[in-house]
Amino acid sequence: QSVLTQPPSVSGAPGQRVTISCTGSISNIGAGYDVHWYQQLPRTAPKLLIYSNTYRPSGVPDRFSGSKSGTSASLAITGLQAEDEADYYCQSYDTSLSNSGVVFGGGTKLTVL
Amino acid sequence: EVQLVESGGGLVQPGRSLRLSCTVSGFTSGDYALTWFRQAPGKGLEWIGFIRSKPYGGTTEYAASVKGSFTISRDDSKSIAYLQMNSLKIEDSAVYYCATGRSEYCSGGRCVVRWFDPWGQGTLVTVSS
Repeated sequence: QSVLTQPPSVSGAPGQRVTISCTGSISNIGAGYDVHWYQQLPRTAPKLLIYSNTYRPSGVPDRFSGSKSGTSASLAITGLQAEDEADYYCQSYDTSLSNSGVVFGGGTKLTVL
Repeated sequence: EVQLVESGGGLVQPGRSLRLSCTVSGFTSGDYALTWFRQAPGKGLEWIGFIRSKPYGGTTEYAASVKGSFTISRDDSKSIAYLQMNSLKIEDSAVYYCATGRSEYCSGGRCVVRWFDPWGQGTLVTVSS
């Protein structure tokens, strides 16, 4: 069971907008730790997609955006494209005794219909 | 170009040890935290631990699930980070990734590594008899 909670799957048609939620608690996102997002295409290593809640690394299209509020964060993808079909993971930091350190969501599989 | 390449994976029997290497290029490895993750077949990402950069003391931090069994070290003269895995179990079977830790900072007595970029391509470890 992951410390951060993501929906197992989302889907959308090409051109549509989808969002992926990431819910944490007062020991991680709610404690002020940033949320970062990674995209993992099939059979490849994860790639940084969003860092520090809202920032895109160079080369990431502006169709991808992130936000954070309270104990949750979201990743939004607009103008969905077939190449966006991948697994998406949120990541933060936790300070609880049982989960101290880097924590991830369980991942969300995005299907482009 | 910043690049990380993992090596050392393979088939190992339960209870045995294995050491993975992460060779970095394109940057001075000592300037960044180096981190290990793993991903079991069909599962999500799991953080194993990291070794902080020299400016942040070069200390290590581990996930509770591997503390005492896994050890991370680094040799910046060779631009390599290592993951020593002892007493391996079947459930340690996974693809193991290394990544560069970015934006370290210390606050309230805790030093944090914020995000991870880039990642290596991964090396597969299979623990089986």
